Amino acid sequence: DTAVSQTPKYLVTQMGNDKSIKCEQNLGHDTMYWYKQDSKKFLKIMFSYNNKELIINETVPNRFSPKSPDKAHLNLHINSLELGDSAVYFCASSQSLARRSEQFFGPGTRLTVL
Amino acid sequence: GQNIDQPTEMTATEGAIVQINCTYQTSGFNGLFWYQQHAGEAPTFLSYNVLDGLEEKGRFSSFLSRSKGYSYLLLKELQMKDSASYLCAVRDSGAGSYQLTFGKGTKLSVIP
Repeated sequence: DTAVSQTPKYLVTQMGNDKSIKCEQNLGHDTMYWYKQDSKKFLKIMFSYNNKELIINETVPNRFSPKSPDKAHLNLHINSLELGDSAVYFCASSQSLARRSEQFFGPGTRLTVL
Repeated sequence: GQNIDQPTEMTATEGAIVQINCTYQTSGFNGLFWYQQHAGEAPTFLSYNVLDGLEEKGRFSSFLSRSKGYSYLLLKELQMKDSASYLCAVRDSGAGSYQLTFGKGTKLSVIP
């Protein structure tokens, strides 16, 4: 069984389109995250959700919006896609915010904006 | 904010030992993590340090000195499969966010 899963694995789309990436974890974790990894492999936090509440919102454009229907899911919606949004997006989860909780990452979604 | 520094690339020989250093600056230190990321794959957890000292886990060990803002990851008996990027990440408790900030990663190449 996959612990953290994301769909789709690859996403190719045109500038200006709206797209969504889904994430699910079956670990019973309380906290979920979205990261962006750019072409230089720099992994940067975008959002965190703890018990369905947004607790971190980094300086990402408001075209990006996380949606959590329940504790096991954290989806990422992106409006009006731009060329600079091309990257690999990783979903992750952890048991809690603090303590020793390591984060478990999904396989990533490679987004290409043409 | 945080500043995390680690070497961009390293090369080591199969069977040898390699040490990957990480220095950081943070206002609310709450733990340091090391992750391994193979090309085209997701990062996977290797180690966690929150107190000073050495944590050993099989062939991998991680060291932390909070006063120096310094950590290292030690890989022993290197194998070809250890070729990957190694990411140092620091957790900050500032504003209750417990944000994890990653360094840019060290790409390790293990050669025969």
